Amino acid sequence: ETAVFQTPNYHVTQVGNEVSFNCKQTLGHDTMYWYKQDSKKLLKIMFSYNNKQLIVNETVPRRFSPQSSDKAHLNLRIKSVEPEDSAVYLCASSPDYYAEQFFGPGTRLTVL
Amino acid sequence: GQQVQQSPASLVLQEGENAELQCNFSTSLNSMQWFYQRPEGSLVSLFYNPSGTKQSGRLTSTTVIKERRSSLHISSSQITDSGTYLCAMGDTNAYKVIFGKGTHLHVLP
Repeated sequence: ETAVFQTPNYHVTQVGNEVSFNCKQTLGHDTMYWYKQDSKKLLKIMFSYNNKQLIVNETVPRRFSPQSSDKAHLNLRIKSVEPEDSAVYLCASSPDYYAEQFFGPGTRLTVL
Repeated sequence: GQQVQQSPASLVLQEGENAELQCNFSTSLNSMQWFYQRPEGSLVSLFYNPSGTKQSGRLTSTTVIKERRSSLHISSSQITDSGTYLCAMGDTNAYKVIFGKGTHLHVLP
């Protein structure tokens, strides 16, 4: 039963374009996350939001920016994509930081 | 260095055999979670187990904080258990969640 929703499932774009990924959770959680899973399958956290407040901003390139309208939504925008941005981007939520996390299905980005 | 080490990196079993997956961490933790990653990439939470032992069907998770390790035991493995198992810990000191590189399990008929 899916409670963390991500759109789109897949996105193919060219270098230099802007992309935006959406994430919504219906669990009533206070904390949401964005992770990047690269070709080696290692999951790395990019951003964490707790009730709309940015908690952790890992050293990701400045072209990445999280956007949150409320605690149920956390979107990810990439201003000018580069080939190394090709990866699967996973959104997750948890009741609070360090609590059990629930993941969305992921968005696979391919940059040509 | 890597703060979360998973072992083995890969494991091949005959159906019916048991599996023991390990997750060792080098810093103090606030949380520990085990996931199964499906072939298409989605993550399924198996256990949230910051300490002690939890069981669900054929799966058992044990976390021993003072020994800085957590394990996932799969009994009587089935072909459908094949996939990648990931552990993730919450780092108390750095206020972030860190994933291991995963154990790739392949169960043969």
